[in-house]
Amino acid sequence: DSGVTQTPKHLITATGQRVTLRCSPRSGDLSVYWYQQSLDQGLQFLIQYYNGEERAKGNILERFSAQQFPDLHSELNLSSLELGDSALYFCASSTGLNTEAFFGQGTRLTVV
Amino acid sequence: AQSVTQPDIHITVSEGASLELRCNYSYGATPYLFWYVQSPGQGLQLLLKYFSGDTLVQGIKGFEAEFKRSQSSFNLRKPSVHWSDAAEYFCAVGARWGGSQGNLIFGKGTKLSVKP
Repeated sequence: DSGVTQTPKHLITATGQRVTLRCSPRSGDLSVYWYQQSLDQGLQFLIQYYNGEERAKGNILERFSAQQFPDLHSELNLSSLELGDSALYFCASSTGLNTEAFFGQGTRLTVV
Repeated sequence: AQSVTQPDIHITVSEGASLELRCNYSYGATPYLFWYVQSPGQGLQLLLKYFSGDTLVQGIKGFEAEFKRSQSSFNLRKPSVHWSDAAEYFCAVGARWGGSQGNLIFGKGTKLSVKP
C-alpha cells in the first residue's frame, strides 16, 4: 500500500457525461500528479499540482481539469466524455519536488 | 523530443532463470531514469532510479539496472526470477520540463510472464 488513495476504483458512465476522480495523497505530501494509462497511448502525464498551485501540465485535454484543495487532496474532472477517454487514471504524490513519487492503485474509467 | 523505448512487449522466462529487460531513451542531457513495476490491479511501484554517479544501481526485490550513456540504455536485470515477479515493467525518464521526480515519460512497458 503506497498510502495514496484514489476513489472510486471503478466508474462506468455514458458518453457526454462528466465525472470527478478523487485523490488523497500520502500524509504530508505536497505534490500530486495525474496520469492516464490507456492501451493506445500507454502511461501519459496529465498534470501536477504543488501545494495548491499548478506546477506542470502535460498531455491534458481541454475537457479535463484538475485542482488541489487546501487539505492537499486533488480532483480530476473529466467532461464531455468520449469512448476514447476510457482508461486507468493514476494519481501519484511526493513530499516535495525532488523526492520519489508514490502511485495510487488507479481509477478505471469506462465510457459506454 | 524525449522518449523511452522498450522493445520487448512480452517476455517469458522460466522461474530461476536470469532476466534482462531492455530500455532505450532519447534525451539531450544526463537523464533521470526509473524502473517501475505494475502488478495486475495495482499501482506502479518504484524498483530503482538513476540520477548520477555509479552506473550500476541496486533496487528492491533483487533488481538492478545499468546506465550506459554510449548506448542510451538503462536495462533492468535480475539474476534469478521468482514467480511473483510476473508483472508489467515500465522504464521512465524524468521529463526535462517538469523538474520533479513525478514528471515522467514512460515507455510502453514489458509484460513479464514466469514459467514454473
